[in-house]
Amino acid sequence: EVQLVQSGAEVIKPGESLKISCKGSGYNFITYWIGWVRQMPGKGLEWMGIIYPDDSDTRYSPSFQGRVTISVDKSINIAYLQWSSLEASDSAMYYCARHHRPSRDPRDFFEYWGQGTLVTVSS
Amino acid sequence: ETVLTQSPGTLSLSPGDRATLSCRTSQNLGSTYLAWYQQKPGQAPTVVIYGASNRATGIPDRFSGSGSGTDFTLTINRLEPEDFAVYYCQQFAGAPWTFGQGTKVEIK
Repeated sequence: EVQLVQSGAEVIKPGESLKISCKGSGYNFITYWIGWVRQMPGKGLEWMGIIYPDDSDTRYSPSFQGRVTISVDKSINIAYLQWSSLEASDSAMYYCARHHRPSRDPRDFFEYWGQGTLVTVSS
Repeated sequence: ETVLTQSPGTLSLSPGDRATLSCRTSQNLGSTYLAWYQQKPGQAPTVVIYGASNRATGIPDRFSGSGSGTDFTLTINRLEPEDFAVYYCQQFAGAPWTFGQGTKVEIK
């Protein structure tokens, strides 16, 4: 059974750094693109970026490029999303999700989703 | 960046009705690079349709997708209580992949 299990909710002060995680299991982790999606409170879904675990090829949305870093540790099947300095506007639910096909081609939809990690940035 | 525009913003219907949701894209996607997701309150999204017209695993046949190019439609026949949710379209033809703003299907 494919599972994506995300790390727990975080409450962080503005200016602090944060790294949240997404552990994949039940499939060959390195051959599926895995990505992150932001959902601000009461709002829609925003595609942030994806990474191919085998070689760490990463694609970012221009809206998030330079603001976040997507990485992976393929030895333990975990993808990460990190910030170096959080702002209040980063408060949101963050979902990781895996592509449908085991392919190097990044053009694919998200078939499996994690449960979400709620990040609250507040002083 | 490809912009996806969903309409209507909200659809107020009764169980048993048919729901017709539209997704228009700013660039031609062909017929392959569009998916529809369902999201219920407090839950992660789940894929309903991919490749514009293919039902995802476990999705009942009252859900159907159609369209190509820049105009796509998600149709839900005979709405069941569990179908009331927010639906998003997503394109993955050209980076960055983008979502529409969503259509809420609510109980009238």
